[in-house]
Amino acid sequence: QIVLTQSPSASASLGASVKLTCTLSSGHSTYAIAWHQQQPEKGPRYLMKLNSDGSHTKGDGIPDRFSGSSSGAERYLTISSLQSEDEGDYYCQTWNTGIRLFGGGTKVTVL
Amino acid sequence: EVHLVESGGGLVQPGGSLRLSCAGSGFTVSSNHMSWVRQAPGKGLEWVSVIYSGGDTYYADSVKGRFTISRDNFKNTLYLQMNSLRAEDTAVYYCLREYDYWGQGTLVTVSS
Repeated sequence: QIVLTQSPSASASLGASVKLTCTLSSGHSTYAIAWHQQQPEKGPRYLMKLNSDGSHTKGDGIPDRFSGSSSGAERYLTISSLQSEDEGDYYCQTWNTGIRLFGGGTKVTVL
Repeated sequence: EVHLVESGGGLVQPGGSLRLSCAGSGFTVSSNHMSWVRQAPGKGLEWVSVIYSGGDTYYADSVKGRFTISRDNFKNTLYLQMNSLRAEDTAVYYCLREYDYWGQGTLVTVSS
């Protein structure tokens, strides 16, 4: 059974960087994921699809300061030059035949 | 430009039914895998159902046997028929073109 684990919260100062982690459960380390952002009181927005080799495909209009990387079962989202509008919840998602799954989300606070 | 617009949400009593719609534009719904995802108040995202481009359908255990996903190729629209609704189905429901475009969501409230 696939499980995605995310830390509940992360914070960093305005202009700094923050790295979010999504961990795939044992036996699923080759799975691709998607990262989605949800700003307060808004619907989710697709950021990128991230493969196990670290290659990623970003959504339309997603700034260059959003980047993805992978290591083993870990999938990372790095936000550089943090802006106030980057505050919100970040979810990872994965899939297999007949199932889709979201992580619990990480709440990002810009200090 | 890709757009997804949900409609059909509202207040319904426990045990009642509701049909959600998700109208697509700028792309062909039937050529894509399309999902419904929900978010209960103050909670995270929960996948509900998917219809593959080939027509196969799958459901989360929490809605299996009560919800039905479908699409109308002529109307380029995705649907979610929700029966035997429960209080715990209260949520904002989003449609998602896998994996890159989300609708704005429609609120379903199940309450007496």
